Amino acid sequence: NAGVMQNPRHLVRRRGQEARLRCSPMKGHSHVYWYRQLPEEGLKFMVYLQKENIIDESGMPKERFSAEFPKEGPSILRIQQVVRGDSAAYFCASSPEKGALEYGYTFGSGTRLTVV
Amino acid sequence: QKEVEQNSGPLSVPEGAIASLNCTYSDRGSQSFFWYRQYSGKSPELIMFIYSNGDKEDGRFTAQLNKASQYVSLLIRDSQPSDSATYLCASRDDKIIFGKGTRLHILP
Repeated sequence: NAGVMQNPRHLVRRRGQEARLRCSPMKGHSHVYWYRQLPEEGLKFMVYLQKENIIDESGMPKERFSAEFPKEGPSILRIQQVVRGDSAAYFCASSPEKGALEYGYTFGSGTRLTVV
Repeated sequence: QKEVEQNSGPLSVPEGAIASLNCTYSDRGSQSFFWYRQYSGKSPELIMFIYSNGDKEDGRFTAQLNKASQYVSLLIRDSQPSDSATYLCASRDDKIIFGKGTRLHILP
């Protein structure tokens, strides 16, 4: 049973380019969460999605960032016109259902974005 | 603003001793609590969860929850060098909110 799959593991973008980060949840999981971790910082919640729905995007920057989780395929976190401050590790996590309070998230291995 | 607060450390503990990690949370509505371990350059790994007041033990790990004081702790008995990592405390109601983590260093 494969875990949460994220790709690419490492991504280098020049300032002004677009970054696309992909996340496939664990089999049977329908909830996806994206977190960002700056160097020496904790994990900051960005967005919570279910299939074809954004449930909570309270942690997403208002501009340049968007996320989707289509009916088919992985969840995508998209960052347009990247700036150096976007350099961070981006982690995706999944869970089987919202109501399972004892269920912590399973994290993917992360995408480390470097903006040069 | 819901927050989880942890001392960033580093916390240095001799090998074989008990490591004690603490955190507090601001949201009384939080229903469950987690401890994750994160090695440098790796993703967080869930090691304990707790949602009832009191203690919960799993091997060398004991999680403690005091909802009245909004306080969560993690005890690691017989600390090993492989326990050296950052430990993230987290609380959950509709989503999981993480503290910034405590760096633990086990001294051989």
